Amino acid sequence: TQLLEQSPQFLSIQEGENLTVYCNSSSVFSSLQWYRQEPGEGPVLLVTVVTGGEVKKLKRLTFQFGDARKDSSLHITAAQPGDTGLYLCAGVRTGANNLFFGTGTRLTVIP
Amino acid sequence: NAGVMQNPRHLVRRRGQEARLRCSPMKGHSHVYWYRQLPEEGLKFMVYLQKENIIDESGMPKERFSAEFPKEGPSILRIQQVVRGDSAAYFCASSPGAVPNTEAFFGQGTRLTVV
Repeated sequence: TQLLEQSPQFLSIQEGENLTVYCNSSSVFSSLQWYRQEPGEGPVLLVTVVTGGEVKKLKRLTFQFGDARKDSSLHITAAQPGDTGLYLCAGVRTGANNLFFGTGTRLTVIP
Repeated sequence: NAGVMQNPRHLVRRRGQEARLRCSPMKGHSHVYWYRQLPEEGLKFMVYLQKENIIDESGMPKERFSAEFPKEGPSILRIQQVVRGDSAAYFCASSPGAVPNTEAFFGQGTRLTVV
């Protein structure tokens, strides 16, 4: 059983389109992080959300933490080829002390 | 301030040999986490260590795998008698304190291939 489920698993879109990636769980998290990983590299932290309902923006990326702190979404506006990569959500369960990763969404933006 | 350093970047071992993967955390970081990643999959938690102590090894296979983080030197993930199924990318992350109070930063990984 996967603690954090991401959808979709694969996404291929044209440059300029918008997209949303989801990260869902039945568990409550004290914080949730989004990473992007490129081939042959380690994950790079994009954002951390800690408060239920929190919304954070990073240029064309908008991250939202669900009110109940069980889910999160990542929305990309006007996707660019440079956004291509594996997007991973990772959460710290309430009372725990390590990060559990989601299944990942592999995004391809076609020029 | 150098990032998390892992070496080697690539490691090839024959079945039955031992693999030693090293992780030097960022300066000032005393918490280290090891993860395993299979192709096209997310990262699977293995073990969480704080200087000289194993805090959580719930993701570590019971046999052949061990980890340490000595007072001096890097953290070591050791895999004895490797099998083909051990082939994967192994990532380590470090943080200055325990998550979720702080953020974890990842190294570039060690890609282990067992032939």
